[in-house]
Amino acid sequence: AQKITQTQPGMFVQEKEAVTLDCTYDTSDPSYGLFWYKQPSSGEMIFLIYQGSYDQQNATEGRYSLNFQKARKSANLVISASQLGDSAMYFCAMKMNAGNMLTFGGGTRLMVKP
Amino acid sequence: DGGITQSPKYLFRKEGQNVTLSCEQNLNHDAMYWYRQDPGQGLRLIYYSQIVNDFQKGDIAEGYSVSREKKESFPLTVTSAQKNPTAFYLCASSTYETGAGANVLTFGAGSRLTVL
Repeated sequence: AQKITQTQPGMFVQEKEAVTLDCTYDTSDPSYGLFWYKQPSSGEMIFLIYQGSYDQQNATEGRYSLNFQKARKSANLVISASQLGDSAMYFCAMKMNAGNMLTFGGGTRLMVKP
Repeated sequence: DGGITQSPKYLFRKEGQNVTLSCEQNLNHDAMYWYRQDPGQGLRLIYYSQIVNDFQKGDIAEGYSVSREKKESFPLTVTSAQKNPTAFYLCASSTYETGAGANVLTFGAGSRLTVL
């Protein structure tokens, strides 16, 4: 069975600095997709970025980039120039080839300090 | 605007009562999902449906039931058999694609259920 691990329960970052949120995964399937979602205190889940297992380039979306290291099975999220509004829970998730469902990690709470 | 509507946002229930959470989407998505989130934890899949009149159990289906009579609607019933139902429930939908492509799940705002 696939598994997603986020080892950082909580992190602080100074406003305007960059921060990396860790995510490791475990699967024997060669085809999979990796996602990052943001969950503000209001509760909704906001999609941030996607990386396919066969993608050659690391995904980027504005201030978000995904540091994909396939051999290490890691898919870390990098947020550049942190803003106060980035304070939220962040979840890494994986989708397998066999279905559309996402398996989520336990999340990392990011707190941005002014 | 297209999106997913979950209701109610907050719900209180006495032990032994069934309760139904509503989820409606106007995104024309084929697939719909229910996730449960406990405080400080990630999301766990309860049920999912890839097409009308068909659904499958997720990782924690015991004590829950669903129906998918219409493409737009995927209600979740939390039954009295669910031993610890107090949680945050999130509904999501997506296009249905085989493979591990980027069919992103769109989530509703969630329903918070508290059992008294």
